This record gives sequence, C-alpha cells and structure tokens, in this order.
Amino acid sequence: DAGVIQSPRHEVTEMGQEVTLRCKPISGHNSLFWYRQTMMRGLELLIYFNNNVPIDDSGMPEDRFSAKMPNASFSTLKIQPSEPRDSAVYFCASSLEGAGTEAFFGQGTRLTVV
Amino acid sequence: SQQGEEDPQALSIQEGENATMNCSYKTSINNLQWYRQNSGRGLVHLILIRSNEREKHSGRLRVTLDTSKKSSSLLITASRAADTASYFCATDNAGNMLTFGGGTRLMVKP
Repeated sequence: DAGVIQSPRHEVTEMGQEVTLRCKPISGHNSLFWYRQTMMRGLELLIYFNNNVPIDDSGMPEDRFSAKMPNASFSTLKIQPSEPRDSAVYFCASSLEGAGTEAFFGQGTRLTVV
Repeated sequence: SQQGEEDPQALSIQEGENATMNCSYKTSINNLQWYRQNSGRGLVHLILIRSNEREKHSGRLRVTLDTSKKSSSLLITASRAADTASYFCATDNAGNMLTFGGGTRLMVKP
C-alpha cells in the first residue's frame, strides 16, 4: 500500500475562494482523522470518521469548514470561503480502529491563503 | 483541545547522549502513543503503550507510563543526529479520538 495519500501537497489561494483538500486512506482502515497544524496552536484534531461516518466534528473551527467521506477510500475537507487565518498544514491520518491502533499520516497539504 | 502536554518544549543535546521527553495528560486513557515528525513531513508512529503496561521498549526507545500520575516519558538512548525531529505524545479520549500534545523539538548536535 502506498500509505495515506493527500492532495494537493501545496495550495495557494486568495481569500474568499473555496479550497478542497483530498485524502485517500490506507485500504482496510476504518478510521480517518483530519488535523490542522500551526506554530501557534500545534496539532489540532478537526474531525474523526469511523466507517465513513463522522463521529466527532467538535474540532471544526467554524461553519466555513466541512468534511465528507463518501466511501471508505476517499475523504475531503472543504473551506468556503477561505481566510488568511486558515493558512496551515492540514494532515489526514487513518488507522485500523480509532485511537486504539497506530495512525498513519499523509504528507500533509500546506495551505496558504493570501 | 489538547489532551497531552510535552515537556520540555525544546531539547538540545550532543550526539551519543540520551534524550528524555515527558508527556502529561488530563483524563483517563486506554493507551498512549508517541510519534515523530521530521520538518515538513507527516507524523510517524514510534510506539504504543496500553494503560495496563508500565514500560515498553523498541530499539533505542524506551517508553514508560504512570497512570497514577497521568504521565509518560520517552527515552532515546545513544542519540544520533538523525534523531533530530519533533516528538509528540497522543492519547485516546472519549469517543476513540486521537489527540496530540504540543510536542518536544529535539536537536541532536553531531
């Protein structure tokens, strides 16, 4: 397996634009996590899916953020409209079973909103 | 919100020395994990210790867990320049979610 695959690796967009980040988890993993990493706030858990169902989205900062997992092999994180303070590295991770097993991280998407 | 907090925030040592990083957490856990992150890369899992375990080893890594004090430590023995990275502890919380601390930045000087 190629591991967790995220795209794009880098995204530069203008304030107000819609941004969509994509993630392909490892085949067979039933849990998927989206994180945001900044120098100021560290690594924040945004949302957790189990068996494609959003279990907890309490970490999603605002209504401008939404995440979907239409099937076991694909998830998206969308920001609409984007703002400069959304600039961060966004990571997707998957695991066999929630927080009880090792999580595998993608390489991240570095988002810059200007 | 972050469940775990690492200490120290930054650590600089010479190659060959041992590095110890600590993690404290707030609520009861089923397990605690340590991860490593090289600059500009994703996190990589190092070791998982369950709440009924007190110590675990993996190569040059030794992890301890004290559930009574809600703390864990990661010891890297005989450090190498290639160990330079940030190290994070992560805990499971209610809802089976994996939450991370702020990390320790380790610099190993050759």
